[in-house]
Amino acid sequence: NAGVTQTPKFRILKIGQSMTLQCTQDMNHNYMYWYRQDPGMGLKLIYYSVGAGITDKGEVPNGYNVSRSTTEDFPLRLELAAPSQTSVYFCASMDRGFTEAFFGQGTRLTVV
Amino acid sequence: AQSVTQPDIHITVSEGASLELRCNYSYGATPYLFWYVQSPGQGLQLLLKYFSGDTLVQGIKGFEAEFKRSQSSFNLRKPSVHWSDAAEYFCVTDSWGKFQFGAGTQVVVSP
Repeated sequence: NAGVTQTPKFRILKIGQSMTLQCTQDMNHNYMYWYRQDPGMGLKLIYYSVGAGITDKGEVPNGYNVSRSTTEDFPLRLELAAPSQTSVYFCASMDRGFTEAFFGQGTRLTVV
Repeated sequence: AQSVTQPDIHITVSEGASLELRCNYSYGATPYLFWYVQSPGQGLQLLLKYFSGDTLVQGIKGFEAEFKRSQSSFNLRKPSVHWSDAAEYFCVTDSWGKFQFGAGTQVVVSP
């Protein structure tokens, strides 16, 4: 049971480039999330999804897009990378009972 | 809106000493509360959670937390820390499936 898998682990982007952070879970969880972590700020919610075909904005959605075509996958898209998007990104999933959120290992993104 | 506050950004504790990390929440009803730990360069691992019932919650790695409604607190404790407990700890509350994180407390364990 792999849990939540994120790829890539590290990435350097140039300003204006685009990329997709991949996230997949094998626990058949309905709820999936993308967070960003900045030093001293905890984790901030970017987007979340309560099931396939349904997504909604979190606290800091600007500059990002998501899609949820399957239960397993929840990719995060950066269209025009900016230095302010330099961060560590975590994907998470949770079951309907909200008993525990499972996190991926994170993607460290640097925009230069 | 609900929120959690972790007043201590950084704590240094000697190996073998006790540890207490503070967490205060702001929420109208009884919240779902969690403590997560993040070791350097790693993802987040659930230490323990509180939904209702007994106010003293036992978790993994020898941690426990006490829910105090009168003080709106959910402090994390460990009687004797080990060097491997050096990490960042997050207090988290849940609102309809959306987690709200505190800013985190960095714990350093000195020999």
